[in-house]
Amino acid sequence: DTGVSQDPRHKITKRGQNVTFRCDPISEHNRLYWYRQTLGQGPEFLTYFQNEAQLEKSRLLSDRFSAERPKGSFSTLEIQRTEQGDSAMYLCASTKNPRENTGELFFGEGSRLTVL
Amino acid sequence: GESVGLHLPTLSVQEGDNSIINCAYSNSASDYFIWYKQESGKGPQFIIDIRSNMDKRQGQRVTVLLNKTVKHLSLQIAATQPGDSAVYFCAENRSPGGGNKLTFGTGTQLKVEL
Repeated sequence: DTGVSQDPRHKITKRGQNVTFRCDPISEHNRLYWYRQTLGQGPEFLTYFQNEAQLEKSRLLSDRFSAERPKGSFSTLEIQRTEQGDSAMYLCASTKNPRENTGELFFGEGSRLTVL
Repeated sequence: GESVGLHLPTLSVQEGDNSIINCAYSNSASDYFIWYKQESGKGPQFIIDIRSNMDKRQGQRVTVLLNKTVKHLSLQIAATQPGDSAVYFCAENRSPGGGNKLTFGTGTQLKVEL
């Protein structure tokens, strides 16, 4: 399978614990995005990378959240001191750097976080 | 069957009928739009896209219509099948000039009845 892969698919944690999610994008894609999706809502943008550079962060990304893409390939999203409000599906997507401002995002299956 | 997005988040249609899912967007600067399909427990899947310089685009069994005057987007699915049952999201690129960052609508649940 050469699509976007995310790990773990499900994570249950206690409030206050740290969690980390990993995303492996499609290999030739240099742009990588993180989105968060709560039940019944559309995905909300969190941050994106072009190669290893983090180019934009949403105000939804509090200081407890940190994302990295150290070698321009896989990315990690860490949430420190988790809160119940962090419970959501965390989606990763990738795309090639489009010449114009178009280009579909290819999404992974997501990592579902439940904070007890 | 036809939905009006936020006001009717669930659309039920009979198998074989045509479905119309509507979406209103707010940013007149948005220049690119995509429809995604999301099945339960899965990530969104691309269906069809359209640029702002077009008003209609057709794919296999799907058609997207764009009305920039009223900032309205619709997805038409012909001969709806049980496998079309999913939540459908419209997404817009609100940041022309960089980022290709998509903003998603709330979504419409499509239920296909046999």
